[in-house]
Amino acid sequence: EAGVAQSPRYKIIEKRQSVAFWCNPISGHATLYWYQQILGQGPKLLIQFQNNGVVDDSQLPKDRFSAERLKGVDSTLKIQPAKLEDSAVYLCASSSELAGPYEQYFGPGTRLTVT
Amino acid sequence: AQSVAQPEDQVNVAEGNPLTVKCTYSVSGNPYLFWYVQYPNRGLQFLLKYITGDNLVKGSYGFEAEFNKSQTSFHLKKPSALVSDSALYFCAVYAGFNRDDKIIFGKGTRLHILP
Repeated sequence: EAGVAQSPRYKIIEKRQSVAFWCNPISGHATLYWYQQILGQGPKLLIQFQNNGVVDDSQLPKDRFSAERLKGVDSTLKIQPAKLEDSAVYLCASSSELAGPYEQYFGPGTRLTVT
Repeated sequence: AQSVAQPEDQVNVAEGNPLTVKCTYSVSGNPYLFWYVQYPNRGLQFLLKYITGDNLVKGSYGFEAEFNKSQTSFHLKKPSALVSDSALYFCAVYAGFNRDDKIIFGKGTRLHILP
C-alpha cells in the first residue's frame, strides 16, 4: 500500500512570510496527525483529525498556525506569519480506526527553514 | 501528566554486539508504550508496541523491548547489532484515559553501529 505522502520536502522562507504544507494519508485511514519536530527533540503533536473533525489542537499555536482536512482525506497545515522558531520538520501521520493511535504511519516530513 | 525520558543522546555499539536503548516513562495507570525508528530524511517507522500481556515484546527488524513495571522502563534491545540499525530511535507513551491524552515522544537516542 502507498505510504503517507507529504509535499514539499523542503522549504526555505523568510520570517513573516506564509507557508503551506500538504499531506495525503494512507487510503482508508480516518485519523490524521500533524507533528512538529524541532532539531534534537521528539515529535510534538500539533493537531489531530478524525475524518474531517478536529480531535485535539491543544498544542497548535492558533495565532499563526491553521490546519484543515475538508473532505476527510488530504490535509493542509499553514503558518502565517512564520517566525524563526518555526524552523523544524513537520511530520504528517495517519492511523486506522482498527489499530488506533498506537500504530501511526509517518510521511517523510517537510523540513522548514525560516531565515 | 504523562512523560517519557531517553537518558542517552547517543549509543555506540560494535557490529555484532548486543544493543540496548534506554527508555523510562511516567504515567498514571497502565501505559501503552512504543518504539519508533527514524532513518535520515525519512519519517518515523513503527517498530513495536506494548499494550498488555507478555513483558517481552518482539517487533520489526529483530528488535524487542522489555516492559518493566517496577522500574517504569521499556528498553529497546537487539541481540546482534547491524550497521544498518544506525538511526534515531524514539520511545513514546500513551495513557489514553483522558480525552486530551496523546502520544508523547521522547527526545530520541541516536544509535551508531560501528563496523
